[in-house]
Amino acid sequence: DVKVTQSSRYLVKRTGEKVFLECVQDMDHENMFWYRQDPGLGLRLIYFSYDVKMKEKGDIPEGYSVSREKKERFSLILESASTNQTSMYLCAIEAGGAKNIQYFGAGTRLSVL
Amino acid sequence: DQQVKQNSPSLSVQEGRISILNCDYTNSMFDYFLWYKKYPAEGPTFLISISSIKDKNEDGRFTVFLNKSAKHLSLHIVPSQPGDSAVYFCAASVGTSYGKLTFGQGTILTVHP
Repeated sequence: DVKVTQSSRYLVKRTGEKVFLECVQDMDHENMFWYRQDPGLGLRLIYFSYDVKMKEKGDIPEGYSVSREKKERFSLILESASTNQTSMYLCAIEAGGAKNIQYFGAGTRLSVL
Repeated sequence: DQQVKQNSPSLSVQEGRISILNCDYTNSMFDYFLWYKKYPAEGPTFLISISSIKDKNEDGRFTVFLNKSAKHLSLHIVPSQPGDSAVYFCAASVGTSYGKLTFGQGTILTVHP
């Protein structure tokens, strides 16, 4: 079974704080993704990575950055959190051999006050 | 610009009847389509997919239909069960594109016993 682990289920942060969201996979998959889910907007892609130290902007990268120093770990960084970044954040991996099928973590509910 | 649209925010169905969830897309380059199901406090899970070379794909109680000329796909669940109550997302991709998916807004399905 593919396992995607997000380090926190719930986070509460203050405006202006630097926030790290961590995602770890247990297999050797190249492609990893960060989405946010908001009511009425569905899932929107923030960033993705197809290898160590490689990253690509998704549809809404503004206000975010990412880090992938090791293959199994993909971090999403909010440099200076703002209230409009309150959302559900979902990490996903694309398992090899199954075209475009992504497996998701349980999500991190982030509240920025 | 929403390239994948699910115009029904919610759908209510009686147990045992058919559920039909709809999805429209605007990008004619999309050639692979997927449906995901999401329960509260969990990440989305893959349900079924279809390639643009087909017009139908079936997996147990779930069937996806693709109408390329209308840029429309639908998910049929027969018979519907209370455990099917969840948010359903359709997603689309262009070729492999590093697995980049574009999601719709989601439809909340409620199946009443």
